[in-house]
Amino acid sequence: LAKTTQPISMDSYEGQEVNITCSHNNIATNDYITWYQQFPSQGPRFIIQGYKTKVTNEVASLFIPADRKSSTLSLPRVSLSDTAVYYCLVGGMEYGNKLVFGAGTILRVKS
Amino acid sequence: KAGVTQTPRYLIKTRGQQVTLSCSPISGHRSVSWYQQTPGQGLQFLFEYFSETQRNKGNFPGRFSGRQFSNSRSEMNVSTLELGDSALYLCASSGRDRGFEAFFGQGTRLTVV
Repeated sequence: LAKTTQPISMDSYEGQEVNITCSHNNIATNDYITWYQQFPSQGPRFIIQGYKTKVTNEVASLFIPADRKSSTLSLPRVSLSDTAVYYCLVGGMEYGNKLVFGAGTILRVKS
Repeated sequence: KAGVTQTPRYLIKTRGQQVTLSCSPISGHRSVSWYQQTPGQGLQFLFEYFSETQRNKGNFPGRFSGRQFSNSRSEMNVSTLELGDSALYLCASSGRDRGFEAFFGQGTRLTVV
């Protein structure tokens, strides 16, 4: 599984757009990029997944450049309730569901 | 559709005892995975069951075991509890064979005293 590097923490204010970048230099050809969100004392929640270019859903957008060595999770107009830990995972095409989480990025949204 | 249900939510056990945690996956999901989360080690994969068979295993001692029943419900057992086993234990289910899209329960907070 490809190793990922994310910022340890980020601060933002309500209403701003937040971009969290994840580096994954040794991503394999058939690896997907997946992001999870976790609130304190709760299980992680799947946010978005992509393979290349851009993916958008009702929660976030995921930007993946052509070389796929990094990806950016974009959260539009964050609110206090978006304060959470965000995890970037790379892989997913191995048989089985074994998720390998890194330390994640602690996002703090302030008023 | 009901989500992943874990019971109990909170548990306090004494060192040396054993504990069993339960997980009911989303209806139709055959893959159930277990994770341990601690402040020091973060989220770590314990094992995955699929159709009653253990399919993947993490790097945990043999004191940690699990099983899955024919209805896909899963249990996790920890024997001879140690203080370091205090953690949030999370269960996740998936309706796919692969792909990293999993649905997590609220977890069971285990405290070993």
